[in-house]
Amino acid sequence: GAVVSQHPSRVICKSGTSVKIECRSLDFQATTMFWYRQFPKKSLMLMATSNEGSKATYEQGVEKDKFLINHASLTLSTLTVTSAHPEDSSFYICSASGGRDSEAFFGQGTRLTVV
Amino acid sequence: GQNIDQPTEMTATEGAIVQINCTYQTSGFNGLFWYQQHAGEAPTFLSYNVLDGLEEKGRFSSFLSRSKGYSYLLLKELQMKDSASYLCAPEDGGFKTIFGAGTRLFVKA
Repeated sequence: GAVVSQHPSRVICKSGTSVKIECRSLDFQATTMFWYRQFPKKSLMLMATSNEGSKATYEQGVEKDKFLINHASLTLSTLTVTSAHPEDSSFYICSASGGRDSEAFFGQGTRLTVV
Repeated sequence: GQNIDQPTEMTATEGAIVQINCTYQTSGFNGLFWYQQHAGEAPTFLSYNVLDGLEEKGRFSSFLSRSKGYSYLLLKELQMKDSASYLCAPEDGGFKTIFGAGTRLFVKA
């Protein structure tokens, strides 16, 4: 299947700093990428849908100024957590889809810990 | 609203068969995914059902009833490595995939 690479897999940062997470589709062009957040033992929560060349569509309750998403090319989307706080500590996962009704290919996920 | 209901946890014995049920309510419906997720890892795709009926893929089968808003994942010949969370994920009318909380399956020897 297709490969989606997410980096870094783990990051620890100080409160108040910003962290950038990259999501790359390695062998296909992903016009749409999705960013999820997952709390322990909870389901994946869709944060935003990222379309190449346009602004991301954020889900209700997700602060777009805090979680900056950029989808500059068909193979790269980035999520920047700005001014991180301990409550932002979570598992963040990206996925890329080849289109409607297609399976989503997930990145490896990023474990963010804000201290 | 959109709602997905599946058991929180299940336990089964190695070599046995287990069925994980899922009921859902979505705004429109296009299909339903099942994903497997091991702790600390990203989900991996298991199946996608669009039409009613049973689809078999090796040890895993998935069933869908659109009229009842019901699906199940059937795992046969359970192995220890099957211990994981199984996520039921319907795709709503806008082609948005909605993830349930998942069922944590524990396979014991």
